[in-house]
Amino acid sequence: GAGVSQSPSNKVTEKGKDVELRCDPISGHTALYWYRQSLGQGLEFLIYFQGNSAPDKSGLPSDRFSAERTGGSVSTLTIQRTQQEDSAVYLCASSTRGGHSTGFGNTIYFGEGSWLTVV
Amino acid sequence: GNSVTQMEGPVTLSEEAFLTINCTYTATGYPSLFWYVQYPGEGLQLLLKATKADDKGSNKGFEATYRKETTSFHLEKGSVQVSDSAVYFCALSEGPKLIFGTGTRLQVFP
Repeated sequence: GAGVSQSPSNKVTEKGKDVELRCDPISGHTALYWYRQSLGQGLEFLIYFQGNSAPDKSGLPSDRFSAERTGGSVSTLTIQRTQQEDSAVYLCASSTRGGHSTGFGNTIYFGEGSWLTVV
Repeated sequence: GNSVTQMEGPVTLSEEAFLTINCTYTATGYPSLFWYVQYPGEGLQLLLKATKADDKGSNKGFEATYRKETTSFHLEKGSVQVSDSAVYFCALSEGPKLIFGTGTRLQVFP
């Protein structure tokens, strides 16, 4: 497709269950990001993939969160043993390249998000 | 660390009013600055950006100027429309990542 595609668009899960959220980036984009948008808060960076480099996991809030990117394209964000505070919109984004040279701004395109509700 | 501070909303305006949404930032180096917009029921979209000091980003009648001396990137529009009602996020680049403000909701009434 033309944009970043995420699935599922909505997910309700019971506390303690594991969930997987999928992201299909724009074709040809080598950089992929996951962000989280919680109610009443801004967007929080979670993890970043660039090509075959080791991902930047500095934003993952706990070891219950993990993500992988297979074949340099599709990515899956996994949340184990979900808690109610994990309820949020999980946004995936991609860009043509992740690095910045002399401050050049790289346009990042976002998907519509996966709404996760933990009950 | 780097951060972005936006004015709290909601901002409520009548159609054709002048809009300013304040954004200031704290950063080392020379980040690029962005405004993203999230319309009701839609995903986050890039509205405009500026990559160096004194640059002006503009799109859809919105403008923002990268002010290094005041570390600001205020969003302005001369005459808002009901269709501009949305949440607006200011952001800066930190390496390959974006650091976002908390967002400002704009409500425009006819």
